[in-house]
Amino acid sequence: AQTVTQSQPEMSVQEAETVTLSCTYDTSESDYYLFWYKQPPSRQMILVIRQEAYKQQNATENRFSVNFQKAAKSFSLKISDSQLGDAAMYFCAYLIGEWGSQGNLIFGKGTKLSVKP
Amino acid sequence: GAGVSQSPRYKVAKRGQDVALRCDPISGHVSLFWYQQALGQGPEFLTYFQNEAQLDKSGLPSDRFFAERPEGSVSTLKIQRTQQEDSAVYLCASSGGDNEQFFGPGTRLTVL
Repeated sequence: AQTVTQSQPEMSVQEAETVTLSCTYDTSESDYYLFWYKQPPSRQMILVIRQEAYKQQNATENRFSVNFQKAAKSFSLKISDSQLGDAAMYFCAYLIGEWGSQGNLIFGKGTKLSVKP
Repeated sequence: GAGVSQSPRYKVAKRGQDVALRCDPISGHVSLFWYQQALGQGPEFLTYFQNEAQLDKSGLPSDRFFAERPEGSVSTLKIQRTQQEDSAVYLCASSGGDNEQFFGPGTRLTVL
């Protein structure tokens, strides 16, 4: 069974600095999707970035980028130029694809990110 | 609507009561998912619909949990004879087929 592990329950970063959140996963599949979701106190899950396993190039979305190491089954999120609005819970997720692209997500336990002004 | 909506946002139930949680997905989204998020944890999959067909209900924790989507749009998650361990945030997500799931704000259920 697929599993997702986030080993950092909490992280803190100074405003304008860079922080990296770690995520490892376990799967026997060769093609899959990985995601980072942000969940602020309002509870609304917001997609931050996604990576398709067959793509070797690391995904980037503005200040957010990933370091995808397929062989090591590692998928870390780097946030550059951290802003106060980045403070939230961050969840790493793996997409199960039994039905092609419409499988359910497996989430890690999350990392709570605090941003200090 | 512009996004996934859920109602109610908060629900307090006495142990043993039945509750119904509603999800309105993004218009046109074929896939709909329910997740349960316990305090301090990541969401866990409950069930999945493709249109009106419930294709996977392997995550439902007991036969007290029941979900439906009769017309392939709005979905209802029903919990019968609620127990304290059912207290959690229930998240609904919909997808239009490009692997991205759009989440609603969730319903926080507290069972006393």
